[in-house]
Amino acid sequence: AQSVTQLDSHVSVSEGTPVLLRCNYSSSYSPSLFWYVQHPNKGLQLLLKYTSAATLVKGINGFEAEFKKSETSFHLTKPSAHMSDAAEYFCVVSEKNTGTASKLTFGTGTRLQVTL
Amino acid sequence: DGGITQSPKYLFRKEGQNVTLSCEQNLNHDAMYWYRQDPGQGLRLIYYSQIVNDFQKGDIAEGYSVSREKKESFPLTVTSAQKNPTAFYLCASRSGARDTQYFGPGTRLTVL
Repeated sequence: AQSVTQLDSHVSVSEGTPVLLRCNYSSSYSPSLFWYVQHPNKGLQLLLKYTSAATLVKGINGFEAEFKKSETSFHLTKPSAHMSDAAEYFCVVSEKNTGTASKLTFGTGTRLQVTL
Repeated sequence: DGGITQSPKYLFRKEGQNVTLSCEQNLNHDAMYWYRQDPGQGLRLIYYSQIVNDFQKGDIAEGYSVSREKKESFPLTVTSAQKNPTAFYLCASRSGARDTQYFGPGTRLTVL
């Protein structure tokens, strides 16, 4: 069975400082890993995706994530936070070998607050 | 303009009433999904459909029903049997062998 743990429910950073949102996963098979962002009362938008190619994945809006198999981690980073980055972020895992229609398992989310 | 639409954005329902949430996509995606989101929790899968006229229960299907008569449409009915229906409902779709799901803007259902 697959699972995802987002280690921080809330992260607060100052504008212009780095962002680190932590995610650990558990998967029986070779996983796909995603980060999605959700602004209040909106749907989820895909930030980036890892699918066993390069371990450092670049996404939209300057975000990137590094897949570390030995640590079962997929942390999301951004060098410099912007006010518009304030949102809820979800780490998601998909097992490729489930035989079902790409079932996703979601973390409980990390709320990113950006202050002036 | 391709995408997933959900309607209505906000929905209010009295206890004991059934209500249907709409989800339409023009991405030509085969698979469609319904999720429920509650505060402080991740998304939980209600139902999914891989092809027309076929669908499977997800993790929390009790009190919900779906249909998939057309590739573009996957409506969700919240029945009176759902004991705690107030939540944010999200529809998603996926193309063929790819495992990336794309989400609609959501419907917020409130039971009065």
